[in-house]
Amino acid sequence: QSALTQPASVSGSPGQSITISCTGTSSDVGSYNLVSWYQQHPGKAPKLMIYEVSKRPSGVSNRFSGSKSGNTASLTISGLQAEDEADYYCCSYAGSSTPFGTGTKVTVL
Amino acid sequence: EVQLVESGGGLVQPGGSLRLSCAASGFTFSSYSMNWVRQAPGKGLEWVSYISSSSSTIYYADSVKGRFTISRDNAKNSLYLQMNSLRDEDTAVYYCAREQVSAMYDYWGQGTLVTVSS
Repeated sequence: QSALTQPASVSGSPGQSITISCTGTSSDVGSYNLVSWYQQHPGKAPKLMIYEVSKRPSGVSNRFSGSKSGNTASLTISGLQAEDEADYYCCSYAGSSTPFGTGTKVTVL
Repeated sequence: EVQLVESGGGLVQPGGSLRLSCAASGFTFSSYSMNWVRQAPGKGLEWVSYISSSSSTIYYADSVKGRFTISRDNAKNSLYLQMNSLRDEDTAVYYCAREQVSAMYDYWGQGTLVTVSS
């Protein structure tokens, strides 16, 4: 039940694209197409942004996209906006648990 | 409108017990699996426990196994977390979250703060 590995921080200028990686193992990310991503603003509950690797819930901007290769999943935010500044967490199904990533702070410069 | 409202948090001494509740509304509670997820102050999210819609399947994180018990009452649209033998490291905001499909938590409560301290 180890946490998935994410970079501590990623930054970009408005309008740019950034990508956040989420590295797991063959027991979680690598075995299932059941990776989700959450956005969390300070003092708020997490918000679902991506599920099943690349699907977007209704109401989530199409600037957010997800992908996976092997044991690593990725979240890409295109056309970066000030409101995207937040913490982001990945999560993967792993059979009898669902570990979260270590979290990435996104800063809009 | 889907709503999840946690309650029961507070200050407790190490070794003590606390029972958290999560009141659900706006959806057919008995049709969904539910989870508890926690977040220590300034730290990341940590999955704590899972319960299937009928309570037939239950999972726990290794960090709480043997100390915490998840349960639900579908007649009362409520989810619970009984926390025993609490430790300093259990201090966190505890969220209940609805699971739409595996590892997809589409609705979260606002969280309830549990502080374990002497």
